[in-house]
Amino acid sequence: SQQGEEDPQALSIQEGENATMNCSYKTSINNLQWYRQNSGRGLVHLILIRSNEREKHSGRLRVTLDTSKKSSSLLITASRAADTASYFCATASGAQKLVFGQGTRLTINP
Amino acid sequence: DGGITQSPKYLFRKEGQNVTLSCEQNLNHDAMYWYRQDPGQGLRLIYYSQIVNDFQKGDIAEGYSVSREKKESFPLTVTSAQKNPTAFYLCASTKGQGNTEAFFGQGTRLTVV
Repeated sequence: SQQGEEDPQALSIQEGENATMNCSYKTSINNLQWYRQNSGRGLVHLILIRSNEREKHSGRLRVTLDTSKKSSSLLITASRAADTASYFCATASGAQKLVFGQGTRLTINP
Repeated sequence: DGGITQSPKYLFRKEGQNVTLSCEQNLNHDAMYWYRQDPGQGLRLIYYSQIVNDFQKGDIAEGYSVSREKKESFPLTVTSAQKNPTAFYLCASTKGQGNTEAFFGQGTRLTVV
């Protein structure tokens, strides 16, 4: 079962612009995490936001969480060509396992 | 360096063969996971283990088997019962339960020939 659903499925922007990806989920969660995957590689953890937090920053990343709407957003500011990758949200609930969404494929055009 | 290692990186399987994918971690993590990823898709959970000698089925366990005899090792066997095994397989581990940061291996790409 896919808990998180990312939107859009694909996003293409110019270098320097901001990129926003959204994630919606269905059940209550302990936390929500965002991961990045370069083509043909494993996933790399970016940021974790707990259910009692509303916003979190890490460098050029900003994550928000709205538990009332069961949604989260990932904002990448001042995008770079190296940000080109797929981005996944993952949720953890009482089942104690991470469930991933389908991902957003981000392309940064130079 | 601490990390999680998958091998081999590429694996070819003939129809009807069983193959085993290796996953080893030296992070002293309790929980380990196997995911399957098809082209352009998200990750689907195959099996996970939260403690040695115990594991649970994920969403797509049919045609797969695992063992967890050692804390650092969680091999995945793709059996002949798995009718469409061609995919990218990812192993991950977490320190405790699934609500903590997951560390991933670099993946094994399995192709049926």
